[in-house]
Amino acid sequence: QKEVEQNSGPLSVPEGAIASLNCTYSDRGSQSFFWYRQYSGKSPELIMSIYSNGDKEDGRFTAQLNKASQYVSLLIRDSQPSDSATYLCAGFQEYGNKLVFGAGTILRVKS
Amino acid sequence: SQTIHQWPATLVQPVGSPLSLECTVEGTSNPNLYWYRQAAGRGLQLLFYSVGIGQISSEVPQNLSASRPQDRQFILSSKKLLLSDSGFYLCAWSVLVDTQYFGPGTRLTVL
Repeated sequence: QKEVEQNSGPLSVPEGAIASLNCTYSDRGSQSFFWYRQYSGKSPELIMSIYSNGDKEDGRFTAQLNKASQYVSLLIRDSQPSDSATYLCAGFQEYGNKLVFGAGTILRVKS
Repeated sequence: SQTIHQWPATLVQPVGSPLSLECTVEGTSNPNLYWYRQAAGRGLQLLFYSVGIGQISSEVPQNLSASRPQDRQFILSSKKLLLSDSGFYLCAWSVLVDTQYFGPGTRLTVL
């Protein structure tokens, strides 16, 4: 079982719709989670972090964390073509003292 | 503000040749530094991390090595490259151990 799992996609949504990206993790000891956006050929860019159960909003982005069910999600409201990228989910593994990344979900926003 | 640099941006090397990739961080002191590799279509693999000058932890045994000769400089090296060393090499920094920021990356092709 992979430590952090994501559906590879691609997830296709029309412009203006809500994109929902999901991630599950296996390490119950993980306390902090991160979403990175990676455009093709570029390096990952940190867009959201979440530490507590519930929702955290930042502009058009909302991160959701449910530790009991061990999943993290990222909602992108009013999706734009410029949101088309690969989204990486990462959880901080306390015992290994390292970030563990999922393989990423490709998002395509069609105008 | 903090800035992270990597060079070169791209590199094409023959099998068996040596490698030296450099990463420097500006605008912060005593950062944690990381080397990751991202193979085509795959997730991020942590290779090395360093919490201070001369302190290197290796995550994956292979023909690569890392050094930290100065507080804000991190170097990835190899004596003899393998075909399997091809990939996108990313340096990252953090102050808080779990919140990491990536540099622009070096794309390495071994032929």
